[in-house]
Amino acid sequence: DTGVSQDPRHKITKRGQNVTFRCDPISEHNRLYWYRQTLGQGPEFLTYFQNEAQLEKSRLLSDRFSAERPKGSFSTLEIQRTEQGDSAMYLCASSLRTSTYNEQFFGPGTRLTVL
Amino acid sequence: GNSVTQMEGPVTLSEEAFLTINCTYTATGYPSLFWYVQYPGEGLQLLLKATKADDKGSNKGFEATYRKETTSFHLEKGSVQVSDSAVYFCALRGFNNAGNMLTFGGGTRLMVKP
Repeated sequence: DTGVSQDPRHKITKRGQNVTFRCDPISEHNRLYWYRQTLGQGPEFLTYFQNEAQLEKSRLLSDRFSAERPKGSFSTLEIQRTEQGDSAMYLCASSLRTSTYNEQFFGPGTRLTVL
Repeated sequence: GNSVTQMEGPVTLSEEAFLTINCTYTATGYPSLFWYVQYPGEGLQLLLKATKADDKGSNKGFEATYRKETTSFHLEKGSVQVSDSAVYFCALRGFNNAGNMLTFGGGTRLMVKP
């Protein structure tokens, strides 16, 4: 069990550029979540997948954001036409639907800075 | 909607002091409640959990009791150590929340001095 991994760990981009982040969940976990955490705040839910199906999206997820989990394993989160307000830590978590408490295991996050 | 409010930090304590971090919540029905901890440079880790009223979650000397009457889930530890320095997040998972997404409080930074 190598835990949830995220790549890259840090990304600096210029306003207007597109960025893509990757999350690799714990291998047998069928649920995958994306959260966003701004400085000094708690994480806020963005979206989640069960296997390859995206089942819920937060209102925070504007149309510039898109997430995929094509084969029910890794997931990508793309932000198009980045804005300075997108600067945040993007967290990925995974869980096993059948586990008793559905505990979510978090990755280390990708810190995005938009200049 | 669901919300979590926790005391603002930072909380600064001396080693072996008693710790309380307050957490209250708003939710319909019977949510599950969690405390997560984030050590410097690391990801969020589940510290403890409680799934129904009067349950007490405990781990690594930390405890929290699910109090439905006061909608609270305060985190306590009898004797903190320098290694407990971290940011602590209270969170809930709503009842009948099929997606099981978590709603977090704003976090409380704990600093323990030797």
